[in-house]
Amino acid sequence: GEDVEQSLFLSVREGDSSVINCTYTDSSSTYLYWYKQEPGAGLQLLTYIFSNMDMKQDQRLTVLLNKKDKHLSLRIADTQTGDSAIYFCAENSGGYQKVTFGTGTKLQVIP
Amino acid sequence: DAGVTQSPTHLIKTRGQHVTLRCSPISGHKSVSWYQQVLGQGPQFIFQYYEKEERGRGNFPDRFSARQFPNYSSELNVNALLLGDSALYLCASSLSARAGDTQYFGPGTRLTVL
Repeated sequence: GEDVEQSLFLSVREGDSSVINCTYTDSSSTYLYWYKQEPGAGLQLLTYIFSNMDMKQDQRLTVLLNKKDKHLSLRIADTQTGDSAIYFCAENSGGYQKVTFGTGTKLQVIP
Repeated sequence: DAGVTQSPTHLIKTRGQHVTLRCSPISGHKSVSWYQQVLGQGPQFIFQYYEKEERGRGNFPDRFSARQFPNYSSELNVNALLLGDSALYLCASSLSARAGDTQYFGPGTRLTVL
């Protein structure tokens, strides 16, 4: 079955790097995503990685995928107070768009 | 350009009642998916519709149903409401039904069941 796990909370100082980790169980996962959710807002897709990649960089965001260990991480460089939000790891292994989300990691950025 | 819109924003119902939630996808998008997000948890997939046909269904009881209209807007219906149905219901649209297509989420409808 599909299961996606994340730690619940992360606190970092402004300007430091944040690393949010995620593990998943479905070895047939094709796409792995990181979403951001701010209070009162919907989900915003930050980035995604295809399962045959091991790294993707997009400005301040770096995604690392260890397919052997089924481990995904999101690194945010130079974390800002505007990065405070809940970050969801998610995976898609079906032929359609059933996306399985983790429980979310709340990132708190301390000024 | 308008994003995904959902109505109503908030809704309060009592147990046993029925509710209809509405979603309008981004113009040109033909696929709509529905998710339930209980407080403190990640969203859970309920349905996906593409070209007015159901393409996927999550692990939800038959009290949950949905449909998609010719203009690609969608409705989610929940019958015989339970307290546990209280959640944020999110709608997402995408160009097609393919797994790799980016899904754009609406702001959600907050349903409270008393």
